[in-house]
Amino acid sequence: VQMTQSPSYLAASPGESVSISCKASKSISNNLAWYQEKPGKANKLLIHSGSTLQSGTPSRFSGSGSGTDFTLTIRSLESEDFAVYYCQQYNEYPPTFGGGTKLELK
Amino acid sequence: QVQLKESGPGLVQPSETLSLTCTVSGFSLTSYSVSWVRQPSGKGPEWMGRMWYDGDTAYNSALKSRLSISRDTSKNQVFLKMNSLQTDDTGTYYCTRQRQGYFDYWGQGVMVTVSS
Repeated sequence: VQMTQSPSYLAASPGESVSISCKASKSISNNLAWYQEKPGKANKLLIHSGSTLQSGTPSRFSGSGSGTDFTLTIRSLESEDFAVYYCQQYNEYPPTFGGGTKLELK
Repeated sequence: QVQLKESGPGLVQPSETLSLTCTVSGFSLTSYSVSWVRQPSGKGPEWMGRMWYDGDTAYNSALKSRLSISRDTSKNQVFLKMNSLQTDDTGTYYCTRQRQGYFDYWGQGVMVTVSS
């Protein structure tokens, strides 16, 4: 299953809200996870099952969608949110990831 | 707390074999699965293979002919061996704890460069 994220780059300011899209090449039900990547830190699972926040994920993060179209939304951006985000499907083997979205400070 | 740490050589010669070790703490390898995921620079991650909690293994078909994953539960370690390395195998290699299909904990990764 191919996962396509958009945009590849996104510039925003603290306090703004942003959305990242992830599209699957076929239906994956809600078997989708979102991760955050920051330099020097282990990747962090943010959301699984499409919309379930992993323990410790701030409530300003939300996930939505099912089937082929998914969205990660971050409300009221904080400085620590500027990072790279990946989606990943686990409906079929092998698990596959999107190409990533780099969220940069405007 | 749950931790995973990768170790291994940072430089491998083309056509040689890569050997990596993942040392885990805070959970049991007989209760949770561990997967290896790699990421070329500037690209998305790629799942390589999985050591199931019961000792079974699963591999990405694209790598299966070159890849072997094993474990030593007494040492809390999972091992990756991949042969016939080429330059496009360069990237960061991660071990991850896999729950159902997603990865809830990641190591910090080890950068592997394939070059002569």
